[in-house]
Amino acid sequence: DAMVIQNPRYQVTQFGKPVTLSCSQTLNHNVMYWYQQKSSQAPKLLFHYYDKDFNNEADTPDNFQSRRPNTSFCFLDIRSPGLGDAAMYLCATSRDTGVGSYEQYFGPGTRLTVT
Amino acid sequence: GDSVTQMEGPVTLSEEAFLTINCTYTATGYPSLFWYVQYPGEGLQLLLKATKADDKGSNKGFEATYRKETTSFHLEKGSVQVSDSAVYFCALDDYKLSFGAGTTVTVRA
Repeated sequence: DAMVIQNPRYQVTQFGKPVTLSCSQTLNHNVMYWYQQKSSQAPKLLFHYYDKDFNNEADTPDNFQSRRPNTSFCFLDIRSPGLGDAAMYLCATSRDTGVGSYEQYFGPGTRLTVT
Repeated sequence: GDSVTQMEGPVTLSEEAFLTINCTYTATGYPSLFWYVQYPGEGLQLLLKATKADDKGSNKGFEATYRKETTSFHLEKGSVQVSDSAVYFCALDDYKLSFGAGTTVTVRA
């Protein structure tokens, strides 16, 4: 089945130690998103790629970076994780032709713990 | 900007009860509207969608109708099951998704 895959499902990192979360998709969608979701809150968009074009949300901290080496993969890099960065990180994809909007397909998420 | 206001929870129901979760939106254009469901420890799953006024989305016994006159997209299910226990998010998509705060639903046997 076509899907969005996130690895690992659970990640523990130390305060200030860089960490990378990964996302892959078999849907061949051209748009990929990264969301941060803290407990009992709605997901918050960090940034997205429209094809190769990177789009950062205005309030996304500089500590968060992303890479998309090809259509299928996207990475979230947290350069110096703080305790406040502990959250669920969700990857999503959509097929957007620029004419209409299409639903987003979410991966299962990576729960990040910062010690 | 575009926004979604969603009924606050938590909501606790008995099995076979009727469920309604209210959702209203503010948008300058004509967004698509969605309901997503999140089960504990998992990502979001699309439950249903509507792309224009008067469209009715339905899935797994859930329904929601896109009401332009009341700017609403309320979620309903006639007879809930324990397996429907989850967090439900209303969202609109006018280029990017704007989520409501989420409503936690617990169904007791």
